[in-house]
Amino acid sequence: EDKVVQSPLSLVVHEGDTVTLNCSYEVTNFRSLLWYKQEKKAPTFLFMLTSSGIEKKSGRLSSILDKKELSSILNITATQTGDSAIYLCAVVPGRWNSGGSNYKLTFGKGTLLTVNP
Amino acid sequence: DTAVSQTPKYLVTQMGNDKSIKCEQNLGHDTMYWYKQDSKKFLKIMFSYNNKELIINETVPNRFSPKSPDKAHLNLHINSLELGDSAVYFCASRRAGYGYTFGSGTRLTVV
Repeated sequence: EDKVVQSPLSLVVHEGDTVTLNCSYEVTNFRSLLWYKQEKKAPTFLFMLTSSGIEKKSGRLSSILDKKELSSILNITATQTGDSAIYLCAVVPGRWNSGGSNYKLTFGKGTLLTVNP
Repeated sequence: DTAVSQTPKYLVTQMGNDKSIKCEQNLGHDTMYWYKQDSKKFLKIMFSYNNKELIINETVPNRFSPKSPDKAHLNLHINSLELGDSAVYFCASRRAGYGYTFGSGTRLTVV
C-alpha cells in the first residue's frame, strides 16, 4: 500500500523564522509529488515535483524532491502569520502512459504550522 | 466564478438518514474525485470518475454511491448514515497533466 509520512506533525514558530517541512513516501511507480496548503477550507495547490534535485520556488516558499531518498522538503523563509495552515504532501503513483485516469493522490497526515506574531 | 463548487457546505443529520452532496466543476476537466477528510485532517480518496465512468473505488462501504450524470458533475449519495461518516467531504477535479482543484468541502455531521 502506498504510504506518505510527514514530519513534524505540528510546529510552532515566530514570525520571521525559517521552517522546513518533511515528506517521505513509499509508492509503486512514482509519478509525482505535490504540496498543498490547507487553511480553513479547500487545499490549495503549491507545487508539483516530478524530477529529482530541481527546486521549485514561489516567493518565500520552495520545495525540492529527492527520489533517491524518497523524500521532499518544503521550505518557508521569513514566515508570516498568514503562513499558518496545514501543509499536505501527496504522491501520485502509476505510469506516465496510463493516461492519467487513475491519478489518485495519496496524502500524508499533514504538518500543522502555527506562526505566532 | 467558483471552479469546483459543492453543496451544501454544511449538513447536520440524524443517524439512519439518507443524504446527498452535489459537486459541479466549470473547468472542463475530465476527471472528478471525492475525498474524505477525517477529524485528524487526514485526506483519503473515495472515488474517481473519468468522463462519467467510475475508475477508482477505494474500499468504501456500499452505503456510499457516487453518480456522475455528466463530466461536469459528480454527486455523492450516502444511505443509512452512521456517526463515523461525520467528516469533511471534498470534491476535486483534474485535467490530464495538471494538478487537482478542490472544492471548499462539505462538513457532514451525523448526530
